[in-house]
Amino acid sequence: GNSVTQMEGPVTLSEEAFLTINCTYTATGYPSLFWYVQYPGEGLQLLLKATKADDKGSNKGFEATYRKETTSFHLEKGSVQVSDSAVYFCALRMEYGNKLVFGAGTILRVKS
Amino acid sequence: GAGVSQSPRYKVAKRGQDVALRCDPISGHVSLFWYQQALGQGPEFLTYFQNEAQLDKSGLPSDRFFAERPEGSVSTLKIQRTQQEDSAVYLCASSPYLLGVIAEAFFGQGTRLTVV
Repeated sequence: GNSVTQMEGPVTLSEEAFLTINCTYTATGYPSLFWYVQYPGEGLQLLLKATKADDKGSNKGFEATYRKETTSFHLEKGSVQVSDSAVYFCALRMEYGNKLVFGAGTILRVKS
Repeated sequence: GAGVSQSPRYKVAKRGQDVALRCDPISGHVSLFWYQQALGQGPEFLTYFQNEAQLDKSGLPSDRFFAERPEGSVSTLKIQRTQQEDSAVYLCASSPYLLGVIAEAFFGQGTRLTVV
């Protein structure tokens, strides 16, 4: 079946450090890929998305590129802030599907 | 309100008790989803509605779980004879349906169910 695997956390970084959270997927077709973020006490929010191979999604300084050859969608940010501390979820949705398939989530902690 | 609203935020149920969880989607959103999120895990799909029609219930874990959306707006997830393994956060999401495609899903804050 379709699945998403993301790196285990927690990831702890100092402010202004470079962030990478790895995400790989298994899918039988051509999924759309997403990163969602969950800040403490809040609901899941869409951070960015990419709908086809080589697309780059970006938002709030975060970027991820849809790599079909490596079935990956790694999340990156050049300089993290304390306010980026949250749980990050990678997810996919199949081309003619409706539901999202999520990874287990990665906790990010940024220290000042 | 402007977002997806879920109630109650927290629910403690004794094992064997029935519970009902409510979701108020964003007004006008055609699609509505329920997900179950166990502690330390990502959300897992339970069921999907398009207006009042339940088009996919493949994720419901047992026949103790039942969802409805009778007027195509508010939805209720009911769990009968709760078990400890039902303890989780139940998330509701809604999205518009544009040009035949399900657009971005907006999530509520969830209901945390604890079965004791």
